Amino acid sequence: QKEVEQNSGPLSVPEGAIASLNCTYSDRGSQSFFWYRQYSGKSPELIMSIYSNGDKEDGRFTAQLNKASQYVSLLIRDSQPSDSATYLCAVSPPGGNNRLAFGKGNQVVVIP
Amino acid sequence: ETGVTQTPRHLVMGMTNKKSLKCEQHLGHNAMYWYKQSAKKPLELMFVYNFKEQTENNSVPSRFSPECPNSSHLFLHLHTLQPEDSALYLCASSQDGSSDYGYTFGSGTRLTVV
Repeated sequence: QKEVEQNSGPLSVPEGAIASLNCTYSDRGSQSFFWYRQYSGKSPELIMSIYSNGDKEDGRFTAQLNKASQYVSLLIRDSQPSDSATYLCAVSPPGGNNRLAFGKGNQVVVIP
Repeated sequence: ETGVTQTPRHLVMGMTNKKSLKCEQHLGHNAMYWYKQSAKKPLELMFVYNFKEQTENNSVPSRFSPECPNSSHLFLHLHTLQPEDSALYLCASSQDGSSDYGYTFGSGTRLTVV
């Protein structure tokens, strides 16, 4: 089983709609969770971090964490064409080491 | 700019060449990383340095040789690479050698091996 899985294919959403991305992880003891945005040809950029169960909102982005079910999700409200990118889920494993595990990413395309 | 600078941005090299990638961070972080990103694959961790000491070598072939002279600088020396080594190579840094606060990435070096 992969450490971090992002299984859905490219997501196309109309401008103004909500984009929803999901990520599951295998290590139940994981403590820290991140969403990175990566534009084509660019490096990943940290957009959200979440550490506790529940929702965390930052502008149009909401991260949701459910440790019991081992998933973390990202909602993008009022999607804009500038949100078109690949979104990477990353998980910090337990044990205090310094290695983030990344999913393969989900591409989001916002259609004007 | 993210505070992590990578040079060069693009590199084309032959299989018999020797080249080096450079990474410099201005964030006061103590840990630095090399990642490889190939098309349609997850980011692959290559090396981890924490306070200049290598703490992880993720089964990387010896044709990739890292060097970390201090906590702010990281190099990746390349020699006799293969075409399948063509990828985006990303440097990242983190605070206090922990992944609890995420990483800051550089802009990457797009490497093409011909």
